[in-house]
Amino acid sequence: EAQVTQNPRYLITVTGKKLTVTCSQNMNHEYMSWYRQDPGLGLRQIYYSMNVEVTDKGDVPEGYKVSRKEKRNFPLILESPSPNQTSLYFCASSRRESGEKLFFGSGTQLSVL
Amino acid sequence: GNSVTQMEGPVTLSEEAFLTINCTYTATGYPSLFWYVQYPGEGLQLLLKATKADDKGSNKGFEATYRKETTSFHLEKGSVQVSDSAVYFCALPDTGRRALTFGSGTRLQVQP
Repeated sequence: EAQVTQNPRYLITVTGKKLTVTCSQNMNHEYMSWYRQDPGLGLRQIYYSMNVEVTDKGDVPEGYKVSRKEKRNFPLILESPSPNQTSLYFCASSRRESGEKLFFGSGTQLSVL
Repeated sequence: GNSVTQMEGPVTLSEEAFLTINCTYTATGYPSLFWYVQYPGEGLQLLLKATKADDKGSNKGFEATYRKETTSFHLEKGSVQVSDSAVYFCALPDTGRRALTFGSGTRLQVQP
């Protein structure tokens, strides 16, 4: 089954404790992206990657890191989480030729205390 | 850059009622337009799209027509069901960043 898998689904942590949210897709997609969803703001892009070893900033990259060492994986790293990073996070992927049809993971609800 | 404005929610309807969710956009040129749907506890999924002016996208009984004169892409359904309860997002591409620019989302609640 074609899917984008994120882990964990829920995460509660404390300020400053480094964490990683994993994302993996099994569709051989070149393009992957991270979004955060906040009430009243819709989804905002954090980072995206056009292919292995190619990443770039989205709208709200501050406080986040990403890496793309393998085509299928695109982890999101919070080196020193802060309460304003409490949010619902989504990973998404697509083929290069049809970048607008995004396939989304089920989301990670992060709470930073 | 491109932007999308959606009507505020929540929208509460009875089963079999007619649905309209308004979406207007600002964009350079004539980009493709999309509606995504997010069911409770799930990620977003593409509901329908239209690639050029006057195109009508349709899926699962939902329709939206690309109106360049009014820069709108309103979502409609003639008879909603409880299973349509979800959050609906209008979106258009920001091709410079290979991103989708999403509206703020409209929550639909359908009551039996």
